[in-house]
Amino acid sequence: QKEVEQDPGPLSVPEGAIVSLNCTYSNSAFQYFMWYRQYSRKGPELLMYTYSSGNKEDGRFTAQVDKSSKYISLFIRDSQPSDSATYLCAMNTADSWGKLQFGAGTQVVVTP
Amino acid sequence: DTGVSQDPRHKITKRGQNVTFRCDPISEHNRLYWYRQTLGQGPEFLTYFQNEAQLEKSRLLSDRFSAERPKGSFSTLEIQRTEQGDSAMYLCASSPGQAYGYTFGSGTRLTVV
Repeated sequence: QKEVEQDPGPLSVPEGAIVSLNCTYSNSAFQYFMWYRQYSRKGPELLMYTYSSGNKEDGRFTAQVDKSSKYISLFIRDSQPSDSATYLCAMNTADSWGKLQFGAGTQVVVTP
Repeated sequence: DTGVSQDPRHKITKRGQNVTFRCDPISEHNRLYWYRQTLGQGPEFLTYFQNEAQLEKSRLLSDRFSAERPKGSFSTLEIQRTEQGDSAMYLCASSPGQAYGYTFGSGTRLTVV
């Protein structure tokens, strides 16, 4: 079983809808949580970075972390066709900072 | 600052040949990371450096793989005696220290034929 599970999708939504993405994990030592966006044949781009439990908002993006349930979420409001990409969750522990554990990524398609 | 730069963007090599990739991190970033990504999967950790010191290596990094970061600036990843299973996107990232998100480069796509 993988340490980080993420539904591969594809997740198709109409333009303007809210995109809801999530990951579950098994290692309770994970403390730092990130969301990356990756376009085809490009490197991942950092969207959100959160530490421990709670919510964080940045423009159209909201990241939530629920450590008690080992569950993290990313919401994208007012989705645009340019949001069509693969979204990767990633996390690591304080004593193995350099070693990010990624989910497999969820492909999102926003249709005009 | 143009971000993390990787060279080459694409590399096609014959099985058994050696290949070397280069990564230039963001100049003020002291941490540098190498990851490998195959189609449909998230990146997998290979190794990372703080300045010139290699702090951790994955068990994925067999004896055929070696990474260096002389003088704590650019880094190279060498794969000796390439195998078809080495075909993947090799991603480099950097960060200004611990507890920061990474900035990734666009990757080097390796195809072993």
